Amino acid sequence: EPEVTQTPSHQVTQMGQEVILRCVPISNHLYFYWYRQILGQKVEFLVSFYNNEISEKSEIFDDQFSVERPDGSNFTLKIRSTKLEDSAMYFCASSGQGSNQPQHFGDGTRLSIL
Amino acid sequence: KNEVEQSPQNLTAQEGEFITINCSYSVGISALHWLQQHPGGGIVSLFMLSSGKKKHGRLIATINIQEKHSSLHITASHPRDSAVYICAVLSGGSNYKLTFGKGTLLTVNP
Repeated sequence: EPEVTQTPSHQVTQMGQEVILRCVPISNHLYFYWYRQILGQKVEFLVSFYNNEISEKSEIFDDQFSVERPDGSNFTLKIRSTKLEDSAMYFCASSGQGSNQPQHFGDGTRLSIL
Repeated sequence: KNEVEQSPQNLTAQEGEFITINCSYSVGISALHWLQQHPGGGIVSLFMLSSGKKKHGRLIATINIQEKHSSLHITASHPRDSAVYICAVLSGGSNYKLTFGKGTLLTVNP
């Protein structure tokens, strides 16, 4: 069964550095998402992306964050000037055309900011 | 803003027991997801439903749109069912943004 893949599985970065989290969505999916889960807390929506532009974003997704689909397969989340509170599990998801299509999640990237 | 509440927060059962996890939400939705998260963090989609009932193996999900409530049932529970079960909703005004509950930690003992 096709799956969403995320790399790396764990990223350790010094505070203030930039990180790029990578995702390969399911190949025929058109909608892409990033979510965040701080340790011990619920999963939170960050951003959705369709047709090469952001469809919706949360209050969390400020100027520090950006997303990109640099080629036909990858979907990336860039976090500039990382802060300690950016430490979390970041999940990528994708879904097919139509609101009745389920979202499929990757295994996540654990981001640790030191 | 949709508030998603799950109960119970923690649930311990003996192998073979019938399990029910509940989810309530405050605002009308277009669809509801039940998700499973194992230790180590990966999220697996179990069901997406907008009405009625769905069944997959030993798992059954139901939703009552009028009451803004959904339940996830596990029949003949097994230790491998131990995980966090999360309810997430797609609000009516958005095709994209999932709002998550805090999850229910299920432990099934042999």
